[in-house]
This record gives sequence, structure tokens and C-alpha cells, in this order.
Amino acid sequence: GQQLNQSPQSMFIQEGEDVSMNCTSSSIFNTWLWYKQEPGEGPVLLIALYKAGELTSNGRLTAQFGITRKDSFLNISASIPSDVGIYFCAGLTDSWGKLQFGAGTQVVVTP
Amino acid sequence: EADIYQTPRYLVIGTGKKITLECSQTMGHDKMYWYQQDPGMELHLIHYSYGVNSTEKGDLSSESTVSRIRTEHFPLTLESARPSHTSQYLCASSVGFGADEQFFGPGTRLTVL
Repeated sequence: GQQLNQSPQSMFIQEGEDVSMNCTSSSIFNTWLWYKQEPGEGPVLLIALYKAGELTSNGRLTAQFGITRKDSFLNISASIPSDVGIYFCAGLTDSWGKLQFGAGTQVVVTP
Repeated sequence: EADIYQTPRYLVIGTGKKITLECSQTMGHDKMYWYQQDPGMELHLIHYSYGVNSTEKGDLSSESTVSRIRTEHFPLTLESARPSHTSQYLCASSVGFGADEQFFGPGTRLTVL
């Protein structure tokens, strides 16, 4: 099946810094989703992207659907301690709803 | 806010026992999914359903089985648990075609001794 390459694998940042992560694939996706997962919990949907070039914000989070439809990135501005968690990208190639997940980016924020 | 529930949240059980992990959603979603996830790792789809009486195997082979007798309920059963089944199991649902966001439950962390 399609592979999503998510990077970086982990990030250790200081509070107040911006965070950037991305996902790339050799396949075209129709939908990109970004999730955050905290320890012992299920993933929570942060942002959904449906059109190439789309740029969407949710508070301090901004995500973009790449023009080629093969990539997406997520930015977190002015990080705070509660941003700690694992962020997953997920792509959907067809309307049957089988998401492909990236391996996740672990974010650690230090005061 | 998504209303999808999983029970139990944690389960420690001996080898050979039969277990059922429960998943329910109150959103009327047609599509439901089960994922298996090792700590800090990516999610692997093991089962999904398009609606009542529909079940399909996912991308990762699993010895578990599922049923979908009611729209809101999608239980997962392991007939004989083994230590290799130790993992976190996540249930999700989505509206269906044209609205693809999947909403996840809190997960069941299963440990088989």
C-alpha cells in the first residue's frame, strides 16, 4: 500500500518556539488529516484538508495541503507545554475511507 | 465533540482467555474501524465496516473477529488471547462518503500474560 513518510520523528523544543513537521508520499491523496495523540488516549483530529493548496488554521496550528497532493505540513506556533504529544498525519486516497497513517512526530516542549 | 466510547480502558488477562473489546458511537456514523497500535508507533487498520452486517479485514492481519449488528456498536473479539496480542486497540468512526474525518475512541490497552 501507499507509504507516508513523516518527519521529523521527534522534536525537543523550548516553550515559545515554533514547530514544523511534514508528511510526504509517492502517491496522490484527496484528503489530509492531522491528529494529536497524548499518552494512553486515542488520536484527536486537529485539522482536515480537502483541496490542493488549501491552508487551514486552528488556533496556533496551521496546516497546508501540498500543491502536488503528495505532501502536507503542520506548523505549531509559540509552543506551550500542553502541545506535548505525538502528531500523526493521515492521507486518504479514495472515498472508501481507508486512511494511511504516518509514523508520527513526537513533540517534547521544555519550559 | 466526538462521542465514541470503548470499554474496558485497560485489560490484563491470561493466555487462552476469550475477550471482547467494546466500541460504541452515538453519532449515527455508518463507517467504523479498529486499529492496533503499539506504544508510540503508527496505527494499523485491522478491521472496518461500511454499515450494519458489513465487515472487512484491514491491512494488518489479525486473529481477531468483529461484528456489526447495530449501527452504533462494533465489538472486537479474540477467541484465545496470546501474549502477541498485547497492544492498544483503537476504535474509530466516520460519517461515510464525502466526509472522511475519522473520530477515535480513547482506546483499550490489552495485556496478555
